[in-house]
Amino acid sequence: GAGVSQSPSNKVTEKGKDVELRCDPISGHTALYWYRQSLGQGLEFLIYFQGNSAPDKSGLPSDRFSAERTGGSVSTLTIQRTQQEDSAVYLCASSPFMRESEQFFGPGTRLTVL
Amino acid sequence: GEDVEQSLFLSVREGDSSVINCTYTDSSSTYLYWYKQEPGAGLQLLTYIFSNMDMKQDQRLTVLLNKKDKHLSLRIADTQTGDSAIYFCAEMLYNQGGKLIFGQGTELSVKP
Repeated sequence: GAGVSQSPSNKVTEKGKDVELRCDPISGHTALYWYRQSLGQGLEFLIYFQGNSAPDKSGLPSDRFSAERTGGSVSTLTIQRTQQEDSAVYLCASSPFMRESEQFFGPGTRLTVL
Repeated sequence: GEDVEQSLFLSVREGDSSVINCTYTDSSSTYLYWYKQEPGAGLQLLTYIFSNMDMKQDQRLTVLLNKKDKHLSLRIADTQTGDSAIYFCAEMLYNQGGKLIFGQGTELSVKP
């Protein structure tokens, strides 16, 4: 596919369970970003990767959140012991090498924590 | 601090021009963006402007940047019902690796 893809598109989980959200960036894009969109907080930056390393994790809301990226491609955002306030749409974006100005977003994963 | 502000709603008639406004606080912005989000969809990059420019035009879209007042606007000419969506303003700060700071979004409603 030509765009950023994310899976699952929807996830419903029970409070306390762990979830993994996946992002497949556009082929060849070196930078990858995670954002969260929620009613109360709007669109917030979570973390970004340049290659496999994460120079900026400042947006992760707590130590229950972690992310990794392997092979300079797919990234997984993991939320442990989910809470109701984690309910949001999690958006992933990618950009080409040295062109962070052009971030293209995926459709998002809607997470609902019951 | 970093803050981006937009008005929440705008309603226009089909065929009119729409102007969506945004203000930001951080003077170290490198790029400023407009994204469009339709219901249930992700964010679509509409256009962006480098901070040393004051205007950019792309078909029906015109972006104006007043760096002195930290004010960004998006004008949509000949607005169509298909333009109804939420429009997000965002800034990218210098030397922060591409992190975007978003406004709350402006919901544009186009009435026939």
